[in-house]
Amino acid sequence: AQKVTQAQTEISVVEKEDVTLDCVYETRDTTYYLFWYKQPPSGELVFLIRRNSFDEQNEISGRYSWNFQKSTSSFNFTITASQVVDSAVYFCALGGGGNKLTFGTGTQLKVEL
Amino acid sequence: ETGVTQTPRHLVMGMTNKKSLKCEQHLGHNAMYWYKQSAKKPLELMFVYSLEERVENNSVPSRFSPECPNSSHLFLHLHTLQPEDSALYLCASSQGTANRYEQYFGPGTRLTVT
Repeated sequence: AQKVTQAQTEISVVEKEDVTLDCVYETRDTTYYLFWYKQPPSGELVFLIRRNSFDEQNEISGRYSWNFQKSTSSFNFTITASQVVDSAVYFCALGGGGNKLTFGTGTQLKVEL
Repeated sequence: ETGVTQTPRHLVMGMTNKKSLKCEQHLGHNAMYWYKQSAKKPLELMFVYSLEERVENNSVPSRFSPECPNSSHLFLHLHTLQPEDSALYLCASSQGTANRYEQYFGPGTRLTVT
């Protein structure tokens, strides 16, 4: 069985602070994919990144960075110099064999002025 | 970005009504999905279609009936719903059903069953 745990239900930061969203996963598949999505108040989930299990290189995209560590089954997401527009619910998801994604319960990020 | 559109955005219906949710994707994808998002719960996959053929039915009650007439359109027909069916219903599409493809989501239909 697959499982994704996002232990942080809600995080509040002040603008310009750095914030890390945690994601821990469980799977027996040797080939799998990890995703992060952002859900702003408008409702639609916005795809941010996909990582496959054979690529542990960290990735940086502007103020966003991702740290994938197979040894700890974690795929954490850091926003540097957070902005109010980053306020949203962020979901981590896991896809193994088959065609089903397993989503975490999400982390609500609030960035205040 | 209007890659995946959903109508209506909001829907209030009584338990005896029949209504349909519509999803359209403009991305040339071959796979489409319906998800249910309830408060404080993970996203629940309901149905998966690949090239208009249903490939996944995640133990969804029969009061939800999907239809995929072509690879660009997906419907969710609703009848005799229960109040616990109130949720945000999200449609998504992807290039294929394998998990190496990211999914693109629509804005959702906020459904309230009274």
